[in-house]
Amino acid sequence: LAKTTQPISMDSYEGQEVNITCSHNNIATNDYITWYQQFPSQGPRFIIQGYKTKVTNEVASLFIPADRKSSTLSLPRVSLSDTAVYYCLVGPRWGLNKFYFGSGTKLNVKP
Amino acid sequence: DTAVSQTPKYLVTQMGNDKSIKCEQNLGHDTMYWYKQDSKKFLKIMFSYNNKELIINETVPNRFSPKSPDKAHLNLHINSLELGDSAVYFCASSHRDRPREAFFGQGTRLTVV
Repeated sequence: LAKTTQPISMDSYEGQEVNITCSHNNIATNDYITWYQQFPSQGPRFIIQGYKTKVTNEVASLFIPADRKSSTLSLPRVSLSDTAVYYCLVGPRWGLNKFYFGSGTKLNVKP
Repeated sequence: DTAVSQTPKYLVTQMGNDKSIKCEQNLGHDTMYWYKQDSKKFLKIMFSYNNKELIINETVPNRFSPKSPDKAHLNLHINSLELGDSAVYFCASSHRDRPREAFFGQGTRLTVV
């Protein structure tokens, strides 16, 4: 499975757009990119998934360049409640259903 | 109407004891998982069951034994508990058509003293 690298932590202020980048240089052709969010004392929550270009849902956008060696999770106008750890996972969409979580990015949103 | 529920939420026990954690999902999913999150917050998969059949066992000591009585339940039994077993254990489930969109429970914080 492709190894992922994310910043350990990021700070932001309420109302700002936050972009968290994940590097996955050895991503395979059939790998998808999935992002999860984890609040303190809760289980991870699925945010968004994509294969190429751009995916958008009601929570976030996911930007994937043509070479797919990185991806950027974009959170529009964050609020204090977006303070959480964000995990980037890369792996095949089908198969053994393994989810390997790295260390994630701790996003701290300040008032 | 909790999607994935685990019991208990907290569990404090002595070394050497045997304990179980229960998990139930009401989403109609056919795949269920157990994850362990250690003190450094790393989440590692332990087991995965698909339609009551074990499909992933990630080098977990055989003191840990999952049991899936039906597709909606995946329980975790731990024998001879050790201090190093202290962690938060998460149950999760997903549908076969969307395997990477897992739903996680609230977690069970296990403390072995």
